[in-house]
Amino acid sequence: EVQLVESGGGLVQPGRSLRLSCAASGFTFDDYAMHWVRQAPGKGLEWVSGISWNSGSIGYADSVKGRFTTSRDNAKNSLYLQMNSLRAEDTALYYCVKESLGAPYYFDYWGQGTLVTVSS
Amino acid sequence: SSELTQDPAVSVALGQTVRITCQGDNLRNYYASWYQQKPGQAPVLVIHGRNNRPSGIPDRFSGSNSKNTASLTITGAQAEDEADYHCNSRDSSGKHLFGGGTKLTVL
Repeated sequence: EVQLVESGGGLVQPGRSLRLSCAASGFTFDDYAMHWVRQAPGKGLEWVSGISWNSGSIGYADSVKGRFTTSRDNAKNSLYLQMNSLRAEDTALYYCVKESLGAPYYFDYWGQGTLVTVSS
Repeated sequence: SSELTQDPAVSVALGQTVRITCQGDNLRNYYASWYQQKPGQAPVLVIHGRNNRPSGIPDRFSGSNSKNTASLTITGAQAEDEADYHCNSRDSSGKHLFGGGTKLTVL
């Protein structure tokens, strides 16, 4: 059974940093690209970042580029999101998401999310 | 920049058919995928590719594509189908996009 378990969320002041983690199990982690998707309270889904299986390709939404860094450790079956210079508008539930294998690309498994609240 | 457009809200009578649409230029080149999200829950994939349902998704859910529009159709909507529906696709740079989501009400 595929499981994605996020952790690391919490309350943080504007301008500070936070690191999210996602522990993956139930599939061969290093075969798949992984993503972070967020959802602000009462809002729609927003793609944040994606990373290829070997970390050779990493992409970011314009809203987080230069502030967030995605990485993975295939030996630990883990995905990470380092969030710096946090803003109030980064407040959201952050989902760890597994991508399908090859085209057409879609998100076949989602974690339950970890909540990040940016407030003074 | 690329974007995907969905109607914010749609309603359907119990047992009737409803179509939820998603429009965007990148849909001319990339398939949309569709996700159902119920309150307090993570999104669940319901349709991907040309018209593929993951295991466990009822066959009343179907997808179609035409030019710059992707559609999710629920044939014979049930009360449990009341949820938010989000479309997703990628653009030519490899970034992913989501529509704003459609809140489906089953009357």
